[in-house]
Amino acid sequence: EDKVVQSPLSLVVHEGDTVTLNCSYEVTNFRSLLWYKQEKKAPTFLFMLTSSGIEKKSGRLSSILDKKELFSILNITATQTGDSAVYLCAVAVSYGNNRLAFGKGNQVVVIP
Amino acid sequence: EPEVTQTPSHQVTQMGQEVILRCVPISNHLYFYWYRQILGQKVEFLVSFYNNEISEKSEIFDDQFSVERPDGSNFTLKIRSTKLEDSAMYFCASSERRLAGDTQYFGPGTRLTVL
Repeated sequence: EDKVVQSPLSLVVHEGDTVTLNCSYEVTNFRSLLWYKQEKKAPTFLFMLTSSGIEKKSGRLSSILDKKELFSILNITATQTGDSAVYLCAVAVSYGNNRLAFGKGNQVVVIP
Repeated sequence: EPEVTQTPSHQVTQMGQEVILRCVPISNHLYFYWYRQILGQKVEFLVSFYNNEISEKSEIFDDQFSVERPDGSNFTLKIRSTKLEDSAMYFCASSERRLAGDTQYFGPGTRLTVL
C-alpha cells in the first residue's frame, strides 16, 4: 500500500515566522511529488518535483525533494495570514495514469 | 486562466437515491480524475479516465459508481443508490498528459451529503 506521511499535522505560527513542512513517502512506483494548498475547497497547485536536490521556488515558498531518503520539504518564509491553509503532499504513483496518493495534510494557522 | 469547474457545489440526497456530479475539465486536457475527501480524512483516488474509458480505479470505485464523458466538455460521476458513507467532498481533476511531469488541476469540489 502506498504511504504518504506529512508532519506536523497542525501548527500555529506568528506572522513573519518561517514554516517547514515535511512529507515522507513509501510507494511502489514513484513518478513525481506534488504540493497543493487547500484553503476552503479546491487544492491549488504549488509545486511538482521529480528530481532530487533541485529546489523549486515561488515567492516566499520553496520545496525540495530527496529521492534517496524519500521525503520532501515545503518551506514558507515570512509567513502572512493568507498562508493559513492545509498544505497537501501528493505522490503520483502509477505508470499508467499518474494516480495521486495524498497525505493527510499540514494545517498551518498564521496569527497576526 | 483556465480552470476545472464542478456543479453543484453542494448536493443533499436521501440514502438510496442516485446522484450525478458534474465536472468541466480544462479544455485541452485529456486525462480526467475523480477523488473524494471524507470530512477530516485524506483525499482518496477514485478513478482515472482517458479516451472514453476508465484507465484505473481504486477499491472504493465499486459497481455503485460510474463515470462518463457524455459530450466534448462534461465529465460526470454517477453514484447509484447512495449510502450514508458516501457523504464526502468529491473533487474532479484533469491533466493535459499523463507523464511524470504533468500536473493535475483540481476543481472546487461538490460536497455530497447523504441523509
